[in-house]
Amino acid sequence: AQSVAQPEDQVNVAEGNPLTVKCTYSVSGNPYLFWYVQYPNRGLQFLLKYITGDNLVKGSYGFEAEFNKSQTSFHLKKPSALVSDSALYFCAVRALAGKLIFGQGTTLQVKP
Amino acid sequence: GAGVSQSPRYKVAKRGQDVALRCDPISGHVSLFWYQQALGQGPEFLTYFQNEAQLDKSGLPSDRFFAERPEGSVSTLKIQRTQQEDSAVYLCASSSRGLAGGPAYNEQFFGPGTRLTVL
Repeated sequence: AQSVAQPEDQVNVAEGNPLTVKCTYSVSGNPYLFWYVQYPNRGLQFLLKYITGDNLVKGSYGFEAEFNKSQTSFHLKKPSALVSDSALYFCAVRALAGKLIFGQGTTLQVKP
Repeated sequence: GAGVSQSPRYKVAKRGQDVALRCDPISGHVSLFWYQQALGQGPEFLTYFQNEAQLDKSGLPSDRFFAERPEGSVSTLKIQRTQQEDSAVYLCASSSRGLAGGPAYNEQFFGPGTRLTVL
């Protein structure tokens, strides 16, 4: 069965520093992976996806993610964090029939 | 630009009441998904429609939950005889790709959700 794990409940970084939010997955077959961000009282916003091709995927708002097949990971990264990046981040994998299976979420706190 | 909209945004129900939650997907999107997000958790799949056909309802937690999309656009999630454990945010998402064959799905676009509180 497909699953996603986000091992950190919260990540704290200082503004201007690089950030990484971790995600590992378990799937049978080729993984289709997604990152979403959720701001308070709002729905999920799509950031980026990995379907095939380059292992480094670039997305919205300066975010990127690195797909590593051998480590079954899909970590979200940004070279320089902004205070406005503070939010709840979800990693997801596409399962049968297209439904998404989400991780538990990681709260990113960027401090000035 | 029109995204996915949901109504009401907030709903308070007394235990035992029936509720109906509405989702207006992005125009032309074939696929529509409902998810339930409990407090502090990631969204969990409830059901999936391709046009008007409900192709997967494996995530519906009980027979009190019912969803429909009769004309292949607007969808309604109905919960009968609500219980306190039904309290959650209900998210709707739509996507432009269909199920049958071909490459992977495009990303799903989510609405703002309906926060249901059952007292």
